Amino acid sequence: IAGITQAPTSQILAAGRRMTLRCTQDMRHNAMYWYRQDLGLGLRLIHYSNTAGTTGKGEVPDGYSVSRANTDDFPLTLASAVPSQTSVYFCASSAGTDTGELFFGEGSRLTVL
Amino acid sequence: GQNIDQPTEMTATEGAIVQINCTYQTSGFNGLFWYQQHAGEAPTFLSYNVLDGLEEKGRFSSFLSRSKGYSYLLLKELQMKDSASYLCAVRDSNYQLIWGAGTKLIIKP
Repeated sequence: IAGITQAPTSQILAAGRRMTLRCTQDMRHNAMYWYRQDLGLGLRLIHYSNTAGTTGKGEVPDGYSVSRANTDDFPLTLASAVPSQTSVYFCASSAGTDTGELFFGEGSRLTVL
Repeated sequence: GQNIDQPTEMTATEGAIVQINCTYQTSGFNGLFWYQQHAGEAPTFLSYNVLDGLEEKGRFSSFLSRSKGYSYLLLKELQMKDSASYLCAVRDSNYQLIWGAGTKLIIKP
């Protein structure tokens, strides 16, 4: 089934640990995004990539890093997790930065204790 | 700053019509999106407006007035499965999406 796959679906993590959330798309979309969604707040952009080999910072990038080695994969890494990073994380993609809708993965629920 | 405002929660009756409003103040405008998000699931695309006026798609319609910084999503013939959160998002001058907090729509029989 075409779309975006995120892993893991859910994870409980001790503070200070390193964690990588994986995201893979098979739609050959150029642009990819990582958002976090917290209760009462809109989706907030963490990092984005307009095309393979490039990345950019979003609204809330601190504590997170990304890489875009190829078109399909866009992992998000928390170098040293803190409780404020407890959230639901959504990976998304679009054909281009100025065209069309975003397609979202099913989300990764992360709890940092 | 950039801001998207929409009501936190609305309640409507099955079979009725409901209008969800969205007002925005952003740095530039390159289109407005509506997404539907069922609890525990990912957002899914509903509609896109870049010009003023009404876009109709089945039971759902979306309206835009750029001069007023205003949009609404109109849902007709409500069904129980329409119970979800509805997210308004505006693409700004940098082509980044600014998201509202979402409107939780509760449908009662």
